[in-house]
Amino acid sequence: NAGVTQTPKFRVLKTGQSMTLLCAQDMNHEYMYWYRQDPGMGLRLIHYSVGEGTTAKGEVPDGYNVSRLKKQNFLLGLESAAPSQTSVYFCASGSGTGAFSNQPQHFGDGTRLSIL
Amino acid sequence: AQSVTQPDIHITVSEGASLELRCNYSYGATPYLFWYVQSPGQGLQLLLKYFSGDTLVQGIKGFEAEFKRSQSSFNLRKPSVHWSDAAEYFCAVGDYGGATNKLIFGTGTLLAVQP
Repeated sequence: NAGVTQTPKFRVLKTGQSMTLLCAQDMNHEYMYWYRQDPGMGLRLIHYSVGEGTTAKGEVPDGYNVSRLKKQNFLLGLESAAPSQTSVYFCASGSGTGAFSNQPQHFGDGTRLSIL
Repeated sequence: AQSVTQPDIHITVSEGASLELRCNYSYGATPYLFWYVQSPGQGLQLLLKYFSGDTLVQGIKGFEAEFKRSQSSFNLRKPSVHWSDAAEYFCAVGDYGGATNKLIFGTGTLLAVQP
């Protein structure tokens, strides 16, 4: 019963490098989200997806790209990492049904990313 | 603009004491309101949620929250705190006003529990 799994858990990058964070969910959820968490700022939505093959921008999308080629996976890409992208990244999923359907219900444990 | 304020950055309570974490929101319509808890090194876990109906909402782990429209508040309470409740707590409001369809989170309240 894995829920939402994020890989990697930790990563250190140099400025200008690229990388992809992977999120996988095994609950057949329609909605998936990427957030970043910074001290004193709570969580902010980067991008989200309402179903396979769809993506949409959140509050802070600049510098990130996403893809949802398979329903269970939601990838977050950094094309050219910058120190300002040092953060903890959380993936979340939601079922897409019911009164609270389009809000995140399950979170992964996070990816701690440092950009030097 | 929609916003969530958690006025207490850090709170310390004794084990067995009661707890109230404050949350105030700004939202034009009837809000969807949520409380999440984050244990160290982990993701967020949903404690409870409110949209309509009874203004006193029961959640997991013995928590409850009361929606007060007149005060724009959604405070989280627990009658007797356990050491395992030490964590960071986030209040959030669901924003359905545009295409982003997102949660707006407060900045969190860090709860410490002393023996």
